[in-house]
Amino acid sequence: QKEVEQDPGPLSVPEGAIVSLNCTYSNSAFQYFMWYRQYSRKGPELLMYTYSSGNKEDGRFTAQVDKSSKYISLFIRDSQPSDSATYLCAMSAYGQNFVFGPGTRLSVLP
Amino acid sequence: GAVVSQHPSRVICKSGTSVKIECRSLDFQATTMFWYRQFPKQSLMLMATSNEGSKATYEQGVEKDKFLINHASLTLSTLTVTSAHPEDSSFYICSAEDRGELRNTEAFFGQGTRLTVV
Repeated sequence: QKEVEQDPGPLSVPEGAIVSLNCTYSNSAFQYFMWYRQYSRKGPELLMYTYSSGNKEDGRFTAQVDKSSKYISLFIRDSQPSDSATYLCAMSAYGQNFVFGPGTRLSVLP
Repeated sequence: GAVVSQHPSRVICKSGTSVKIECRSLDFQATTMFWYRQFPKQSLMLMATSNEGSKATYEQGVEKDKFLINHASLTLSTLTVTSAHPEDSSFYICSAEDRGELRNTEAFFGQGTRLTVV
């Protein structure tokens, strides 16, 4: 079993839809969680950073962490074509390097 | 967020030559820098971790004599691909963290370097 699993997609949604992106993990020591957005041929861009369990909201983006289920989610409301990208989850235990999920390719269709 | 600048963004080189990629943190001190490799439609693969002033720690399977990493200052790390071959063609990305007193701060990424070896 991989340490971090993520549905690779591709995921296609119409403009304005609510998008749910998810990652599961196996290491119960993980407590730092991040979501990155990566446009084609660009470096990843940090979207959300959360520590431990709970929700965090920033504009159209909401990150959720459920440590009991070892499950994290990123929700995008009112999705836009400009949201079309690959979304990577990343997580780490205290003092350890981050482990990345394989990424989910999202296409938001106008 | 913090800014990490990576240069060049694209390079084409002949087989057998060496290529240097620079990664700079522009507005913070990067105590730790990471170098990743990314194949098309795949996630990031960590190659090595470097701490300022010390030798890099390479991941299993990464040849340290081929991928030379130097982290000479708190704002600059370089990756040199030596004696490049076509199979080294890839997208290389650096990231930087200011671990200082705060462990597990966010990691900020450079723009990436597309290396093509012909």
